[in-house]
Amino acid sequence: AQKVTQAQTEISVVEKEDVTLDCVYETRDTTYYLFWYKQPPSGELVFLIRRNSFDEQNEISGRYSWNFQKSTSSFNFTITASQVVDSAVYFCALSEDFSSGSARQLTFGSGTQLTVLP
Amino acid sequence: GAGVSQSPSNKVTEKGKDVELRCDPISGHTALYWYRQSLGQGLEFLIYFQGNSAPDKSGLPSDRFSAERTGGSVSTLTIQRTQQEDSAVYLCASSSLAGETQYFGPGTRLLVL
Repeated sequence: AQKVTQAQTEISVVEKEDVTLDCVYETRDTTYYLFWYKQPPSGELVFLIRRNSFDEQNEISGRYSWNFQKSTSSFNFTITASQVVDSAVYFCALSEDFSSGSARQLTFGSGTQLTVLP
Repeated sequence: GAGVSQSPSNKVTEKGKDVELRCDPISGHTALYWYRQSLGQGLEFLIYFQGNSAPDKSGLPSDRFSAERTGGSVSTLTIQRTQQEDSAVYLCASSSLAGETQYFGPGTRLLVL
């Protein structure tokens, strides 16, 4: 069975600090997909990134970067020079290989509430 | 282009009543998912539709929950004889194909009194 653990329930930082959100996953599949979503106070889940299990290259997008390490089953998310607008709940999620014939749903972690103080 | 839309945004109902929640996926997306977000349970998968295939109902919590998808597009989630524990935000998502990135709607916030 799949499982995603986000051990950090809440994080509070001051604007311009860097912050890393941790995500650890469990799966028996060799092919799977990892995601990060942002849920601002408005409530809508906003897609940030999708990464397949065969691509361990780190990715950077502006102030966002992701560190995928299969050896430790982790997919951590770093925000550099945080801003107040980054305040939100961030969810890490996992889905199995869509070709497996099994359910294709996302398994979510419990989320990390990030508060960026001015 | 338009994203996933859901209606109503909010729904307040009395215990025992039936409710219908609607989802309009992104045009052209063949896969549609329903999730529930509640304080105690986090984000949970409910049901999945892919094209004309039989839906995957493995996440539905009870037989009071059902969903259909007409014409491969709009989906309706029905909760019969609502209970207070059904209070949650119901989220719909769609993707171009099964396994591709899911894009979420704004959700329907359901409150059962």
